Amino acid sequence: EDQVTQSPEALRLQEGESSSLNCSYTVSGLRGLFWYRQDPGKGPEFLFTLYSAGEEKEKERLKATLTKKESFLHITAPKPEDSATYLCAVRGGSQGNLIFGKGTKLSVKP
Amino acid sequence: DTAVSQTPKYLVTQMGNDKSIKCEQNLGHDTMYWYKQDSKKFLKIMFSYNNKELIINETVPNRFSPKSPDKAHLNLHINSLELGDSAVYFCASSQDKYGENTGELFFGEGSRLTVL
Repeated sequence: EDQVTQSPEALRLQEGESSSLNCSYTVSGLRGLFWYRQDPGKGPEFLFTLYSAGEEKEKERLKATLTKKESFLHITAPKPEDSATYLCAVRGGSQGNLIFGKGTKLSVKP
Repeated sequence: DTAVSQTPKYLVTQMGNDKSIKCEQNLGHDTMYWYKQDSKKFLKIMFSYNNKELIINETVPNRFSPKSPDKAHLNLHINSLELGDSAVYFCASSQDKYGENTGELFFGEGSRLTVL
């Protein structure tokens, strides 16, 4: 069964303290791994798409990387406005719909 | 101008009632979706429509019926509501089928349904 597991469930950082979020997956025929950001009371907002192992994407303080079994979202020198839940999703299987993980809730304190 | 808008944002109702959630997108996208986010925060697809045609119908009870009058609208009607239907329902759209090219889905702000 296709599955996405994110860790940790919650992460508290001080402003400027870099860290990484993990997304491990099992899927038959990966057709893309995606990162989204979700603010409280809002819908998820698209961040990145990664298609193959070794690929990296960057946006401001965020960098996403992909291996054959997992993806990392690295946050460099985070700011309080980076506080949100970060969702990882994969596309695979016969129908190709997105399968989401539970997310990592990131809190960045000033 | 909101890209994907859903109404209502909050819905509180009694068990056994019927309710509808409306969704509209002004992005010109061909594909629209309904996702359910339960209390454990898992976001799970329910339905996908491409150009008014049903593409994905995950295992959801047939009390849930999507209706797409045109490609800019995808409404969700729920009959005989049960306690377990309480969740946040998100509408989304993408430019292509399943967001195949970019994986980019545009989500609405969600409709929180509470069944008492």
